[in-house]
Amino acid sequence: QVQLVQSRAEVKKIGASLNVSCKASGYTFTGYGISWVRQAPGQGLEWMGWISPHKGISANTNYAQKFQGRVTMTTDTSTSTAYLEVKSLRVDDTAVYYCARGGLELDHWGQGTLVTVSS
Amino acid sequence: EIVMTQSPATLSVSPGERATLSCRASQSIHTDLAWYQQKPGQTPRLLIYGASARATGIPARFSASGSGTEFTLTISSLQSEDFAVYYCQQYNGWPPELTFGGGTRVDI
Repeated sequence: QVQLVQSRAEVKKIGASLNVSCKASGYTFTGYGISWVRQAPGQGLEWMGWISPHKGISANTNYAQKFQGRVTMTTDTSTSTAYLEVKSLRVDDTAVYYCARGGLELDHWGQGTLVTVSS
Repeated sequence: EIVMTQSPATLSVSPGERATLSCRASQSIHTDLAWYQQKPGQTPRLLIYGASARATGIPARFSASGSGTEFTLTISSLQSEDFAVYYCQQYNGWPPELTFGGGTRVDI
C-alpha cells in the first residue's frame, strides 16, 4: 500500500533552517509529484509547493509565491524520498508540515511533522 | 492566485440529517476541485476529486457537484464519524498551483 513516512518533530530557533523528509513506498516514486502542505495550530491547510521526481518534464518544481526564495524542494529517486527545506524560520512558521502525493488532487498524505519555532 | 471561499464556516447538524457545504472559486476552475475531510489530530483524507468523483473507499453518502466557480459537497445522512472539518482545494492550471478553502467545520 502507498505510504509516505515523514521525519520526526523538530524544535527550531528563529532564523534557523528546517529540513523535513518524506519517504515514499508502495508505488513508483517517479510516477507522481509530491506536494508540501502546512497547517498552523488551529488553522487551515496551506499549500507550499510541488515537485516532480520525474526529471524529464519541463516544470520540475513550483512554489507558492509566498514561499519563493525561502523554500527548496528536492527529491532523491534512489531512496524514493522527498525533502523540504525552509530557511530563515519565523515564529509563524510553527506548523505541522505534510507531504502528499500528487500535484492535482492529493490522494495520500504523510503523517505530518510538527515544527515549533521559538526564540 | 485563485482564492477559494467556503461557507458556512461552521455547520451545526444532528446525526441522520443532511449537510450541504459550499465552495466558491474566484475564477473558473472547470471541475478541477477536490474535497478533503480532516478529523482532530488526523491527516486530511481525500473524499472527492474532479468535482464529483468519490475517492477509493469513500461511502456513497458523500456526493459532490459543481463546475466553474460554484461547488457543493453533500453528506446525505450524517454519521457520528462525519463530524470533522472539510476543505475544498482547486488544482486548475499547470504547473500545479494549488489553493485550499478556509474549511467548514461540521459540528453536532
